Order: sequence, then structure tokens, then C-alpha cells
Amino acid sequence: DTGVSQDPRHKITKRGQNVTFRCDPISEHNRLYWYRQTLGQGPEFLTYFQNEAQLEKSRLLSDRFSAERPKGSFSTLEIQRTEQGDSAMYLCASSLGPRGPIYFGPGTRLTVT
Amino acid sequence: KQEVTQIPAALSVPEGENLVLNCSFTDSAIYNLQWFRQDPGKGLTSLLLIQSSQREQTSGRLNASLDKSSGRSTLYIAASQPGDSATYLCAVETSGSRLTFGEGTQLTVNP
Repeated sequence: DTGVSQDPRHKITKRGQNVTFRCDPISEHNRLYWYRQTLGQGPEFLTYFQNEAQLEKSRLLSDRFSAERPKGSFSTLEIQRTEQGDSAMYLCASSLGPRGPIYFGPGTRLTVT
Repeated sequence: KQEVTQIPAALSVPEGENLVLNCSFTDSAIYNLQWFRQDPGKGLTSLLLIQSSQREQTSGRLNASLDKSSGRSTLYIAASQPGDSATYLCAVETSGSRLTFGEGTQLTVNP
């Protein structure tokens, strides 16, 4: 059990560029979550998957954001036409199912210049 | 809309002190409450999970209690150590499997 992994750990991009982040959950965890955290704040929910199905999306997830989880394993989060307000830590998490402990990855720090 | 508040926002204590972190939430219809630790620039580490039917959970020097009806939880840390310095976050799970987090308590334990 290697825990939740995320790649890259840091990403610096210019405004208007597209970026994609990858998350590998703990094996056999069928739930996968994406959260966003800005400095000094708690994480905010973005979306979650049950296997390959995206079951809920927050209103924070604008049309520029898209998440996928093909085959119910790893997940990607893409941000199109990045804006400075997208600068944040993007956290991925996984769990065996509802109501149980949720395990977070180390996060991807995005800086939009 | 669920709101989670953590008090104090920051706390500085000398090594060896026992301390209490507070968390309150506005909607008592929760499935569980989870306490996390976050080191600077890092992800979250799960510390304790309390199901809505439980009153408390213990792990080593940590003890978390839950009073669901009053919308409160406390995290008790015994005999604090410099290595306990971090931000502590509480989060409640509500319908839809989403966690709602507080803003955290930044703890500094001085040697």
C-alpha cells in the first residue's frame, strides 16, 4: 500500500495555458475525490468518482475544469485556459466507500503567472 | 449549507502541555467527523474518524470527542511535543460523500 500519489507535485504555468494533473488512488479504493485548497483555508470539495462514474460536481468546478477516471483506476483533472485565481493546491483523495476514512495525496501545487 | 468553524485559529504552547482544539458545525445531520493533520506545503494525514453514532475515538496521545446534537467536536492532545506542530483540520461528511472542512488550527509546540 503506497498511499495516494499525485503528479506533478508542482506546476507553474502562464495564464491561458491548459494543465492536467494525475492522481493514483490507493489500490482497491473505489472512491476518488478532488479538492482544492488555497492558502490559509481548508480544502474545498470539487468532485468525486465511484469507480469510473463521476457522481457529484461542486459549483466550484467551472466549465474550464474537467475530471475523468477511465477504467475506475487513476484520475486526471484538467484545467483549460488557466486564470490566476486557479492558483491553489489540488488534492486528491480516495476511500474504500462512503462513511469510512478518506486518505489524501500530497497534492499538486499550481501557480498561474 | 454546512459550515465548520475551528477555534482557535492559532495556538502556541510549551512542550509537555495538554491542549484542546475545538471544532463546531452548523448542521448536525452528519455521517461522521474526521480530524486531519497538515504539515506546511503537504497533503492531509488522517488522525481520527468518529462515526455519527460514536462519542469518541482515541489513538495514542490523541483523543477526539463528538457531540453531534450540539454540533461540536474536540481534539485533545496529551503531553504535546514539537513534532506535533502542524495545522489541524476537522471535516464533517454529509450527504453526497463530500467533506466540509474548517479553516484549521495552526499549532506550534515550543521546545
